Amino acid sequence: QSALTQPASVSGSPGQSITISCTGTSSDVGGYNYVSWYQQHPGKAPKLMIYEVSNRPSGVSNRFSGSKSGNTASLTISGLQAEDEADYYCSSYTSSSTLEGVVFGGGTKLTVL
Amino acid sequence: QVQLVESGGGVVQPGRSLRLSCAASGFTFSSYGMHWVRQAPGKGLEWVAVISYDGSNKYYADSVKGRFTISRDNSKNTLYLQMNSLRAEDTAVYYCAKGVFEYQLLYDAFDIWGQGTMVTVSS
Repeated sequence: QSALTQPASVSGSPGQSITISCTGTSSDVGGYNYVSWYQQHPGKAPKLMIYEVSNRPSGVSNRFSGSKSGNTASLTISGLQAEDEADYYCSSYTSSSTLEGVVFGGGTKLTVL
Repeated sequence: QVQLVESGGGVVQPGRSLRLSCAASGFTFSSYGMHWVRQAPGKGLEWVAVISYDGSNKYYADSVKGRFTISRDNSKNTLYLQMNSLRAEDTAVYYCAKGVFEYQLLYDAFDIWGQGTMVTVSS
């Protein structure tokens, strides 16, 4: 399984909006609406932020939104806050002739300036 | 409250075996697919395996296929990961995670995670 491609880092100032991309193929991101996003603070377990491309679990701020176009999914965080500084990972269901499972992106470190 | 607690990690020599456990509470364990996800030190997340709500279906990442076995005991609300023929590259924090939707397997996300258990493979 090849990892999905994410930028290594992004940054923004408080109050601004940022977008993190997650690029895959037609065997994963592009072929299915089963893209999820996770936030992970240092030393902590990941937290689900978005599932099925654009759905927010109960309790997750509406400042977080997800979308998809072709083989690329995106996570947008609006009104950046200091506590948003963390690592973010995308994941997707994947299915090919040889493999079926889940694949993660390499992760993106968000710095709030 | 909904909780997952992993145990069984430790230091093990290459080629040896280890079994991880994940105790679930606060939800109907027998209704949800369960996953193992690992994270090597300083690295990203890697999905390891999934088991269906009733244990009848299992899928594995290529990197562990043939060496790791996922299982569950719904009477004990516990998930397991039997790890054989361990390699240095299996060194990681291992998380168990619950699927969002009942009775789903791979068309799912992970909404509850344990705190993780560290596995170190070293001679």
